[in-house]
Amino acid sequence: DIQMTQSPSSLSASVGDRVTITCRASQGISNYLAWFQQKPGKAPKSLISVASSLQNGVPSRFSGSGSGTDFTLTISSLQPDDFATYYCLQYSTSPITFGQGTRLGIK
Amino acid sequence: QVQLVQSGAEVKKPGASVKVSCKASGYTFTSHDMHWVRQAPGQGLAWMGRIDPRGGSTTYAQQFQGRVTMTRDTSTSTVYMELTSLKSEDTAVYYCAAGRLDHWGQGTLVTVSS
Repeated sequence: DIQMTQSPSSLSASVGDRVTITCRASQGISNYLAWFQQKPGKAPKSLISVASSLQNGVPSRFSGSGSGTDFTLTISSLQPDDFATYYCLQYSTSPITFGQGTRLGIK
Repeated sequence: QVQLVQSGAEVKKPGASVKVSCKASGYTFTSHDMHWVRQAPGQGLAWMGRIDPRGGSTTYAQQFQGRVTMTRDTSTSTVYMELTSLKSEDTAVYYCAAGRLDHWGQGTLVTVSS
């Protein structure tokens, strides 16, 4: 199975900060990488697919990059609504696998 | 718009089975795979498997092989996930998600307790 390693596992930041979360795959996955946001008690929400394609309705402060094994999710200027847990996911090879999550909290 | 509506919460005893439904609307049901993902309390997301609604072919994660069955009813645009031989560790929220997991159901809490 392809292992997805996210870092950091948690971080604290302030409104207006620029935040970067990374995801590393244990083997190459091309650009078959998605990012999700999850708030407590809610279903995950798809933010980005194919590594860098923003889903409809997702604010442009979110961006994704990377290919192969190393990927990043960047939030250019944190807003109060962005404090949540973020997951990456690879869908290159079955079984689909998630990163362990990054909890983004308020500093 | 795409909507996935799941069945309600369930409470089951160890050894029992549970069947969760996910009714899709707002898109062509047979055009996208449907996935099932679960999340134990306070834990991350775990992919369980997927079904192709066109032909019904399935792929299951190794850890659920032999206990999970995913089916679909094209007449009602509904997919089902049945998990058997339930254990307390199966207590979780179960989600369906369509396509490249672009759209998610609201989740179904399954509690396994004696």
